[in-house]
Amino acid sequence: GENVEQHPSTLSVQEGDSAVIKCTYSDSASNYFPWYKQELGKRPQLIIDIRSNVGEKKDQRIAVTLNKTAKHFSLHITETQPEDSAVYFCAASTGTGFQKLVFGTGTRLLVSP
Amino acid sequence: GAGVSQSPSNKVTEKGKDVELRCDPISGHTALYWYRQSLGQGLEFLIYFQGNSAPDKSGLPSDRFSAERTGGSVSTLTIQRTQQEDSAVYLCASSLDRGAGELFFGEGSRLTVL
Repeated sequence: GENVEQHPSTLSVQEGDSAVIKCTYSDSASNYFPWYKQELGKRPQLIIDIRSNVGEKKDQRIAVTLNKTAKHFSLHITETQPEDSAVYFCAASTGTGFQKLVFGTGTRLLVSP
Repeated sequence: GAGVSQSPSNKVTEKGKDVELRCDPISGHTALYWYRQSLGQGLEFLIYFQGNSAPDKSGLPSDRFSAERTGGSVSTLTIQRTQQEDSAVYLCASSLDRGAGELFFGEGSRLTVL
């Protein structure tokens, strides 16, 4: 089945710096790659997603890149702010017909003022 | 309500007891997922329902775990003969699409097995 690996597990940056989180996946048929943000004690929420027919997608300070050949995708956050501090999860779709999402193990991002 | 609703929000039980966790998805969402999140860990897939099709149970960790979805809406996750390692937050999510779309998560049910 699909295996999604995520790195790093923790990431500390200074406010204003950029942060990059990387994920790899194993199922070459995966075609949907979302990123979820989970603030402390709250539910995960979608922040950005990308489909396999696109190499890059940007939404204000966040962007996601996808390399299907290498089977990896990354989340980029620029000009980080303290409110970006949270756990970020990547995911990849898997399965034929009905698709489910398999999540990475998460990255705890801490942005210091 | 407008979002995914889960109950109970917190459940403390003794080892060996059975527990039931309930999920009420967003109206009209055909896909429903259960995930488990242990302390400081990722989201472990448990089971996936899509419409009236047979569920994908490939993530259930043992035969003590089961889930059903009645009438294509409300779902119940049942854990029989609970063990301490079952302690976790159980998250339910629903989606409008047949999988490859945004998941809307509930607040979760925190299960503590003593």
